[in-house]
Amino acid sequence: EAGVTQFPSHSVIEKGQTVTLRCDPISGHDNLYWYRRVMGKEIKFLLHFVKESKQDESGMPNNRFLAERTGGTYSTLKVQPAELEDSGVYFCASSPRAEETQYFGPGTRLLVL
Amino acid sequence: LAKTTQPISMDSYEGQEVNITCSHNNIATNDYITWYQQFPSQGPRFIIQGYKTKVTNEVASLFIPADRKSSTLSLPRVSLSDTAVYYCLVGVLHSGGYQKVTFGTGTKLQVIP
Repeated sequence: EAGVTQFPSHSVIEKGQTVTLRCDPISGHDNLYWYRRVMGKEIKFLLHFVKESKQDESGMPNNRFLAERTGGTYSTLKVQPAELEDSGVYFCASSPRAEETQYFGPGTRLLVL
Repeated sequence: LAKTTQPISMDSYEGQEVNITCSHNNIATNDYITWYQQFPSQGPRFIIQGYKTKVTNEVASLFIPADRKSSTLSLPRVSLSDTAVYYCLVGVLHSGGYQKVTFGTGTKLQVIP
């Protein structure tokens, strides 16, 4: 069974540019989560999708971040415009049911210069 | 959200049993305790989850006392490949029915030959 995949693995952009991260959950997992770890800090929750609906987006830092999951399959996380403090590792996770174990992807390493 | 406290780092020789204890004094009735392992440049990987008493799988054992204010992850006969960061998480089951997991600082385990 394929795991959670994320693309790209690394991204280097300049401040003010736009970046879109993609997450493909494990097939059949309705629940998809985004997390991030910014420099030297802990991994923090961003938001949770159930199929195509946002169940909880309480962790989204500000309106420069937009997450979508059209069709309830893969998800994208867009940062526009990117700021220096957005640098970090963005993780995606999925689970079959909401209360079950979350399986994490390898992360996308974002560096904003 | 229940906060967790665990040692920042531990060293162990190959072949020894390693016990990592996590404190979660404010754990709520609906919270589960989950441990994840993370290697450099990878996403967190589920190890074990429990609610109370003892849980064992092919990788580890999890000991949870009756008051559930702490838990101990036990790794039998560690090898060099067990060198990683281990996270203790307390999952809050939200009204929407999912586990909003919160990562702490983790314990960096270094296995020595």
